[in-house]
Amino acid sequence: LAKTTQPISMDSYEGQEVNITCSHNNIATNDYITWYQQFPSQGPRFIIQGYKTKVTNEVASLFIPADRKSSTLSLPRVSLSDTAVYYCLVVTGGGNKLTFGTGTQLKVEL
Amino acid sequence: NAGVTQTPKFRVLKTGQSMTLLCAQDMNHEYMYWYRQDPGMGLRLIHYSVGEGTTAKGEVPDGYNVSRLKKQNFLLGLESAAPSQTSVYFCASSYTTVRGNQPQHFGDGTRLSIL
Repeated sequence: LAKTTQPISMDSYEGQEVNITCSHNNIATNDYITWYQQFPSQGPRFIIQGYKTKVTNEVASLFIPADRKSSTLSLPRVSLSDTAVYYCLVVTGGGNKLTFGTGTQLKVEL
Repeated sequence: NAGVTQTPKFRVLKTGQSMTLLCAQDMNHEYMYWYRQDPGMGLRLIHYSVGEGTTAKGEVPDGYNVSRLKKQNFLLGLESAAPSQTSVYFCASSYTTVRGNQPQHFGDGTRLSIL
């Protein structure tokens, strides 16, 4: 199984950019990295995914360096409503091995 | 369109009792998954299914059984509940994926306490 590591928590203020990094070893060239957001008493919700370089959508960007040993979720101009736990997911072994990170609790303050 | 629905939402069991958690999805997804979530440990895969009639073990399968008799339903069973199985259980579904490139859709969880 791939091993994934994330910071336990991060603090930020409204309007700032937040970068959350997930370290992952043992992933193949085309294995995808996916990020999810989870609010209390809810299931995780998809944010963004990619397998190389940079991906951007309307809510976030995902940066994956060439060595693919880590990935960084970037949230531009966070607001109070972005306070949540963020998880990275790595899928390896041809889709049969799923490893979630332990999650990063992001707290956004005024 | 309800997405992924889990029943029940809460349950308290005594050690040794059995129960079944039901997951239903209305998105015609091939893949379905059962996870448990414990403090400080993220989500860990218990079992998954890549299609009707198929199941496979995940990272922490011991003490659980699953069945996928219909494409839209995935059942998780605890034959003899133990306090270590106290957790929040999440079901998810996705389209067919080999490289992990299909996002998973999650239910809102079942909170299970075993005394």
